[in-house]
Amino acid sequence: GAGVSQTPSNKVTEKGKYVELRCDPISGHTALYWYRQSLGQGPEFLIYFQGTGAADDSGLPNDRFFAVRPEGSVSTLKIQRTERGDSAVYLCASSLVASGSDEQFFGPGTRLTVL
Amino acid sequence: GENVEQHPSTLSVQEGDSAVIKCTYSDSASNYFPWYKQELGKRPQLIIDIRSNVGEKKDQRIAVTLNKTAKHFSLHITETQPEDSAVYFCAASGSNYKLTFGKGTLLTVNP
Repeated sequence: GAGVSQTPSNKVTEKGKYVELRCDPISGHTALYWYRQSLGQGPEFLIYFQGTGAADDSGLPNDRFFAVRPEGSVSTLKIQRTERGDSAVYLCASSLVASGSDEQFFGPGTRLTVL
Repeated sequence: GENVEQHPSTLSVQEGDSAVIKCTYSDSASNYFPWYKQELGKRPQLIIDIRSNVGEKKDQRIAVTLNKTAKHFSLHITETQPEDSAVYFCAASGSNYKLTFGKGTLLTVNP
């Protein structure tokens, strides 16, 4: 079946604007994760959903970042009042269950550039 | 929280040689240790993983070892090929499910 998909693949915006990044997990996967990857670094955890609820949002850098998963499938990461420091690749991953040792499948990412 | 250190940051080998990448972690509660390969501009892809009840796991030319006492784990690639060239990330997770990644190792296999 299809893997994790993310749209858009690239997003260029101006400082202060609002952006939404979308993630479509693998069908049937109940756990969904958002990570952020800066150039030359490993992915850094942002938020994790089990079903519709955010089970752990401890990685969100501040209150400008918010994510939803209203029907337990597609998720949207929302960034308000974007700053140049938000520029990075935003990766989404999903796993069948949230067991702590279940493989996480990554999407291709959205490259966000804030001018 | 968990902290994962990865070494070396870059590694260059000749085709056919072996490559070893090492990681240490700080949280003794971590029990799952995956390794991801990421080619330039592509998504991270799992190549092998190990759980804390196992000391070693092998899959063809790739092996991973885990020393829970010392809190370190290593990736071993034998008979390297040019297509093994990529960035490799180690990661660790425990009961909180989130993966904590190392900073990556850029492996270059020279033909």
